[in-house]
Amino acid sequence: EDQVTQSPEALRLQEGESSSLNCSYTVSGLRGLFWYRQDPGKGPEFLFTLYSAGEEKEKERLKATLTKKESFLHITAPKPEDSATYLCAVQARGTRGGSEKLVFGKGTKLTVNP
Amino acid sequence: EAQVTQNPRYLITVTGKKLTVTCSQNMNHEYMSWYRQDPGLGLRQIYYSMNVEVTDKGDVPEGYKVSRKEKRNFPLILESPSPNQTSLYFCASSSGRGRFGETQYFGPGTRLLVL
Repeated sequence: EDQVTQSPEALRLQEGESSSLNCSYTVSGLRGLFWYRQDPGKGPEFLFTLYSAGEEKEKERLKATLTKKESFLHITAPKPEDSATYLCAVQARGTRGGSEKLVFGKGTKLTVNP
Repeated sequence: EAQVTQNPRYLITVTGKKLTVTCSQNMNHEYMSWYRQDPGLGLRQIYYSMNVEVTDKGDVPEGYKVSRKEKRNFPLILESPSPNQTSLYFCASSSGRGRFGETQYFGPGTRLLVL
Protein backbone atom coordinates (compact mmCIF):
# COMPACT_ATOMS: atom_id res chain seq x y z
CA GLU A 1 0.00 0.00 0.00
CA ASP A 2 1.26 3.46 -0.88
CA GLN A 3 2.01 5.53 2.19
CA VAL A 4 3.39 8.95 3.02
CA THR A 5 4.44 9.77 6.58
CA GLN A 6 5.47 13.23 7.70
CA SER A 7 7.31 14.15 10.87
CA PRO A 8 7.13 15.91 13.16
CA GLU A 9 3.40 16.63 13.28
CA ALA A 10 4.12 20.08 14.66
CA LEU A 11 7.26 22.16 14.99
CA ARG A 12 7.85 25.42 16.80
CA LEU A 13 10.92 27.48 15.92
CA GLN A 14 12.29 30.81 16.88
CA GLU A 15 12.89 33.25 14.06
CA GLY A 16 16.27 32.43 12.54
CA GLU A 17 16.39 28.90 13.96
CA SER A 18 16.95 26.51 11.04
CA SER A 19 15.42 23.04 10.96
CA SER A 20 14.17 20.25 8.69
CA LEU A 21 10.86 18.53 8.03
CA ASN A 22 10.77 14.89 7.02
CA CYS A 23 8.62 13.01 4.52
CA SER A 24 9.11 9.26 4.24
CA TYR A 25 7.26 7.26 1.61
CA THR A 26 6.59 3.78 0.36
CA VAL A 27 5.30 3.68 -3.20
CA SER A 28 5.82 1.38 -6.13
CA GLY A 29 7.61 3.23 -8.87
CA LEU A 30 7.91 6.83 -7.71
CA ARG A 31 6.86 9.21 -10.49
CA GLY A 32 7.25 12.36 -8.45
CA LEU A 33 7.31 13.78 -4.92
CA PHE A 34 5.72 17.16 -4.29
CA TRP A 35 5.86 19.69 -1.49
CA TYR A 36 3.03 22.12 -0.78
CA ARG A 37 2.40 24.90 1.69
CA GLN A 38 -1.06 25.39 3.19
CA ASP A 39 -2.20 28.44 5.13
CA PRO A 40 -5.22 28.17 7.44
CA GLY A 41 -8.53 28.14 5.57
CA LYS A 42 -6.87 28.04 2.14
CA GLY A 43 -6.03 25.45 -0.47
CA PRO A 44 -2.49 24.07 -0.66
CA GLU A 45 0.04 26.00 -2.72
CA PHE A 46 2.60 24.10 -4.78
CA LEU A 47 6.27 24.54 -3.81
CA PHE A 48 8.53 21.88 -5.35
CA THR A 49 8.68 18.73 -7.43
CA LEU A 50 11.44 16.14 -7.00
CA TYR A 51 11.79 13.27 -9.44
CA SER A 52 14.85 11.23 -8.54
CA ALA A 53 17.13 10.46 -5.62
CA GLY A 54 19.81 13.07 -5.17
CA GLU A 55 17.76 15.87 -6.61
CA GLU A 56 17.53 19.21 -4.78
CA LYS A 57 15.35 22.28 -5.30
CA GLU A 58 15.56 25.67 -3.61
CA LYS A 59 13.26 28.62 -3.19
CA GLU A 60 14.13 31.49 -0.89
CA ARG A 61 14.61 29.99 2.59
CA LEU A 62 13.37 26.53 1.58
CA LYS A 63 15.37 23.65 0.16
CA ALA A 64 13.90 20.26 -0.70
CA THR A 65 15.98 17.10 -1.08
CA LEU A 66 15.11 13.53 -2.06
CA THR A 67 16.55 10.09 -1.29
CA LYS A 68 15.18 6.70 -2.26
CA LYS A 69 13.02 6.53 0.86
CA GLU A 70 12.46 10.05 2.09
CA SER A 71 12.49 13.74 1.38
CA PHE A 72 13.51 16.63 3.57
CA LEU A 73 12.34 20.22 3.52
CA HIS A 74 15.08 22.33 5.04
CA ILE A 75 14.14 25.76 6.34
CA THR A 76 17.03 28.14 6.78
CA ALA A 77 16.68 31.16 9.07
CA PRO A 78 12.88 31.02 9.06
CA LYS A 79 10.68 34.08 9.47
CA PRO A 80 7.21 34.29 11.04
CA GLU A 81 5.66 34.43 7.56
CA ASP A 82 6.96 30.89 6.96
CA SER A 83 4.41 29.65 9.51
CA ALA A 84 2.07 27.24 7.73
CA THR A 85 1.35 23.56 7.32
CA TYR A 86 3.72 21.87 4.89
CA LEU A 87 2.37 18.91 2.96
CA CYS A 88 4.23 16.20 1.10
CA ALA A 89 2.62 14.09 -1.66
CA VAL A 90 3.69 11.30 -3.98
CA GLN A 91 2.34 10.20 -7.31
CA ALA A 92 1.29 6.57 -7.13
CA ARG A 93 -0.23 3.87 -9.27
CA GLY A 94 -3.99 4.13 -9.84
CA THR A 95 -6.48 1.33 -10.38
CA ARG A 96 -6.11 1.63 -14.13
CA GLY A 97 -2.43 0.78 -13.80
CA GLY A 98 -1.09 4.19 -14.59
CA SER A 99 0.54 6.49 -12.05
CA GLU A 100 -2.10 9.12 -11.69
CA LYS A 101 -3.14 8.89 -8.07
CA LEU A 102 -1.78 11.39 -5.55
CA VAL A 103 -1.21 10.37 -1.93
CA PHE A 104 -0.63 13.08 0.67
CA GLY A 105 0.97 12.96 4.08
CA LYS A 106 -0.83 14.49 7.05
CA GLY A 107 1.46 17.48 7.10
CA THR A 108 3.77 19.28 9.49
CA LYS A 109 2.41 22.41 11.15
CA LEU A 110 5.25 24.89 11.43
CA THR A 111 5.09 27.88 13.76
CA VAL A 112 7.87 30.46 13.68
CA ASN A 113 7.89 32.83 16.62
CA PRO A 114 9.38 36.33 16.31
CA GLU B 1 -6.09 35.18 -13.89
CA ALA B 2 -5.48 31.46 -13.59
CA GLN B 3 -7.86 30.00 -11.08
CA VAL B 4 -9.96 27.10 -9.85
CA THR B 5 -13.40 28.03 -8.59
CA GLN B 6 -15.71 26.01 -6.39
CA ASN B 7 -19.32 26.55 -5.47
CA PRO B 8 -20.78 26.72 -2.97
CA ARG B 9 -18.09 27.73 -0.47
CA TYR B 10 -20.21 26.75 2.50
CA LEU B 11 -23.09 24.29 2.65
CA ILE B 12 -25.25 22.90 5.42
CA THR B 13 -27.53 20.07 4.41
CA VAL B 14 -29.39 17.09 5.87
CA THR B 15 -28.75 13.39 5.55
CA GLY B 16 -29.97 11.94 2.26
CA LYS B 17 -30.50 15.18 0.34
CA LYS B 18 -28.56 14.98 -2.91
CA LEU B 19 -26.09 17.76 -3.56
CA THR B 20 -23.53 18.80 -6.15
CA VAL B 21 -20.38 20.85 -5.61
CA THR B 22 -19.18 22.47 -8.80
CA CYS B 23 -15.57 22.96 -9.83
CA SER B 24 -14.30 24.90 -12.80
CA GLN B 25 -10.82 25.81 -14.04
CA ASN B 26 -9.78 28.34 -16.68
CA MET B 27 -6.31 26.97 -17.47
CA ASN B 28 -7.23 24.28 -20.02
CA HIS B 29 -5.80 21.68 -17.66
CA GLU B 30 -6.31 18.00 -18.41
CA TYR B 31 -5.93 16.64 -14.86
CA MET B 32 -8.54 17.51 -12.23
CA SER B 33 -9.06 16.07 -8.82
CA TRP B 34 -11.24 16.19 -5.71
CA TYR B 35 -9.91 15.94 -2.14
CA ARG B 36 -11.36 15.98 1.30
CA GLN B 37 -9.44 17.28 4.29
CA ASP B 38 -10.23 16.18 7.83
CA PRO B 39 -8.40 16.92 11.10
CA GLY B 40 -5.92 14.17 11.89
CA LEU B 41 -6.43 12.48 8.53
CA GLY B 42 -4.91 15.04 6.21
CA LEU B 43 -5.76 15.52 2.55
CA ARG B 44 -7.21 12.47 0.83
CA GLN B 45 -7.97 12.09 -2.84
CA ILE B 46 -11.58 11.14 -3.66
CA TYR B 47 -11.60 10.97 -7.47
CA TYR B 48 -9.43 12.26 -10.26
CA SER B 49 -9.82 12.74 -13.98
CA MET B 50 -7.14 12.48 -16.62
CA ASN B 51 -9.27 14.13 -19.30
CA VAL B 52 -12.83 14.38 -20.57
CA GLU B 53 -14.76 11.16 -19.90
CA VAL B 54 -11.75 9.61 -18.09
CA THR B 55 -12.10 9.33 -14.31
CA ASP B 56 -10.70 7.04 -11.64
CA LYS B 57 -11.02 6.41 -7.93
CA GLY B 58 -8.69 7.89 -5.39
CA ASP B 59 -8.32 6.56 -1.86
CA VAL B 60 -11.78 7.48 -0.50
CA PRO B 61 -14.36 7.28 -3.32
CA GLU B 62 -17.23 5.66 -1.39
CA GLY B 63 -20.37 7.79 -1.34
CA TYR B 64 -19.22 10.13 -4.11
CA LYS B 65 -19.70 10.38 -7.85
CA VAL B 66 -18.00 12.54 -10.44
CA SER B 67 -18.35 13.28 -14.11
CA ARG B 68 -16.12 15.02 -16.66
CA LYS B 69 -18.18 16.00 -19.67
CA GLU B 70 -16.23 19.18 -20.37
CA LYS B 71 -12.56 19.85 -19.88
CA ARG B 72 -13.07 22.84 -17.60
CA ASN B 73 -15.67 21.35 -15.22
CA PHE B 74 -15.45 18.51 -12.73
CA PRO B 75 -18.49 18.39 -10.40
CA LEU B 76 -18.59 16.28 -7.24
CA ILE B 77 -21.93 14.61 -6.52
CA LEU B 78 -23.11 13.29 -3.19
CA GLU B 79 -26.19 11.21 -4.02
CA SER B 80 -27.17 10.57 -0.39
CA PRO B 81 -24.97 12.55 1.98
CA SER B 82 -24.26 11.22 5.45
CA PRO B 83 -22.77 12.93 8.51
CA ASN B 84 -19.39 11.22 7.95
CA GLN B 85 -19.08 13.25 4.75
CA THR B 86 -18.90 16.45 6.75
CA SER B 87 -15.55 17.82 5.69
CA LEU B 88 -13.58 20.49 3.85
CA TYR B 89 -13.47 19.71 0.14
CA PHE B 90 -10.90 20.94 -2.36
CA CYS B 91 -10.92 20.75 -6.13
CA ALA B 92 -7.60 20.99 -7.98
CA SER B 93 -6.24 20.95 -11.50
CA SER B 94 -2.87 20.55 -13.15
CA SER B 95 -1.54 20.51 -16.65
CA GLY B 96 -0.44 16.91 -16.24
CA ARG B 97 2.32 15.91 -18.64
CA GLY B 98 2.76 12.86 -16.45
CA ARG B 99 3.58 14.79 -13.26
CA PHE B 100 0.08 15.39 -11.91
CA GLY B 101 1.12 16.78 -8.56
CA GLU B 102 3.29 19.38 -10.21
CA THR B 103 1.99 22.92 -10.20
CA GLN B 104 -1.38 21.66 -9.05
CA TYR B 105 -3.73 24.60 -8.48
CA PHE B 106 -6.24 24.23 -5.67
CA GLY B 107 -9.61 25.88 -5.34
CA PRO B 108 -10.62 27.85 -2.23
CA GLY B 109 -12.43 24.91 -0.64
CA THR B 110 -16.04 24.00 0.18
CA ARG B 111 -16.95 23.48 3.79
CA LEU B 112 -19.78 20.93 4.04
CA LEU B 113 -21.81 20.08 7.11
CA VAL B 114 -24.24 17.16 6.90
CA LEU B 115 -26.75 17.02 9.75
